[in-house]
Amino acid sequence: DGGITQSPKYLFRKEGQNVTLSCEQNLNHDAMYWYRQDPGQGLRLIYYSQIVNDFQKGDIAEGYSVSREKKESFPLTVTSAQKNPTAFYLCASSPAHLQPQHFGDGTRLSIL
Amino acid sequence: KQEVTQIPAALSVPEGENLVLNCSFTDSAIYNLQWFRQDPGKGLTSLLLIQSSQREQTSGRLNASLDKSSGRSTLYIAASQPGDSATYLCAVLRTGNQFYFGTGTSLTVIP
Repeated sequence: DGGITQSPKYLFRKEGQNVTLSCEQNLNHDAMYWYRQDPGQGLRLIYYSQIVNDFQKGDIAEGYSVSREKKESFPLTVTSAQKNPTAFYLCASSPAHLQPQHFGDGTRLSIL
Repeated sequence: KQEVTQIPAALSVPEGENLVLNCSFTDSAIYNLQWFRQDPGKGLTSLLLIQSSQREQTSGRLNASLDKSSGRSTLYIAASQPGDSATYLCAVLRTGNQFYFGTGTSLTVIP
């Protein structure tokens, strides 16, 4: 079955530590996205990538970094510069940028 | 920047009732509007997509309408079932830009 796999499902970060969230898709989609979801707020765009080796900042990119070395993979690193990282992180992909998106099941990040 | 609002934030209805969820957006220059369902601790599942040139879309018991001029969309759920309990989000794609999501309506259907 084609889909988007996010791992791990739960992740804990110590103060001052960088952590990386994995997102893999086997849908052969060109575009991939990372969103952050906080209680009472809508999804907010962190980064997106329209094609391999290219990515763009979204509305809340500060404290995050991404890479897109392979079409199927778009990992997100939450750096120590992100002062409020506790949230639910969702990865999505679409055949091309701005086409309907398919979502993974998310990673919940908490601070120890 | 596009602002997307969903009211009410939460809704409880008895099983079998028909219901309407609302989505409002501030910028009418949209490319399309999408309704999603989100179960607790899960990702989003697409329900319906309405292109800017369309007025409505239907899938089973779901019907979504779009009125660009007034900046509103509604999701109508007929004959609600306990399995419909979830959070429903709308997302607006602004022309040439990105998706903007509403805060969602949490629906509980009581058996």
